[in-house]
Amino acid sequence: DAGVIQSPRHEVTEMGQEVTLRCKPISGHNSLFWYRQTMMRGLELLIYFNNNVPIDDSGMPEDRFSAKMPNASFSTLKIQPSEPRDSAVYFCASSLRSGGQETQYFGPGTRLLVL
Amino acid sequence: AQSVTQLDSQVPVFEEAPVELRCNYSSSVSVYLFWYVQYPNQGLQLLLKYLSGSTLVESINGFEAEFNKSQTSFHLRKPSVHISDTAEYFCAVSAGGTSYGKLTFGQGTILTVHP
Repeated sequence: DAGVIQSPRHEVTEMGQEVTLRCKPISGHNSLFWYRQTMMRGLELLIYFNNNVPIDDSGMPEDRFSAKMPNASFSTLKIQPSEPRDSAVYFCASSLRSGGQETQYFGPGTRLLVL
Repeated sequence: AQSVTQLDSQVPVFEEAPVELRCNYSSSVSVYLFWYVQYPNQGLQLLLKYLSGSTLVESINGFEAEFNKSQTSFHLRKPSVHISDTAEYFCAVSAGGTSYGKLTFGQGTILTVHP
């Protein structure tokens, strides 16, 4: 079975540019999570969706970040405009909601470098 | 709200030695506890989890963790490590209520196994 798919795997961009990260969750999963990982702050939850609806976006750093999930098989995380401090590895994870016991399955991540 | 503290940021050990990675959590409600492992340049993978029942849980590759409610701990142990166990390990907690389905991760422990 295909796991969580993320694209691109690596992205290098210049400050001020728009960046779009993409995620395809595991088929049949109904929860999707976006995380950011940095050396300084560790693994942070940015936002999560349940049945395509955003449930908690309290981790989104600021208005420059936005996330959408137009259908059950696709989600995007957009940064506009990007800044050097956004450089990090961004992970998408999905799960099948089952009372809080669910295992989250992580994608390989997108390594973003903003110059 | 939940929080997770991993007491050691780095743990160096020699091959075939035992290891313990420490994790303490805080929560006002019943929790589910997880250990994830991250190999270099990869996403996180579930190692083991405690949901209910026996307080000792095991993984397929020889790791085990014991849930201790009185000490609010969920330490990870392996009696004899291999070079291939070198990775970063994350302890995480999930709870119900408004945090339903949301994982809170510790800062991670880098395990380095030396020959």
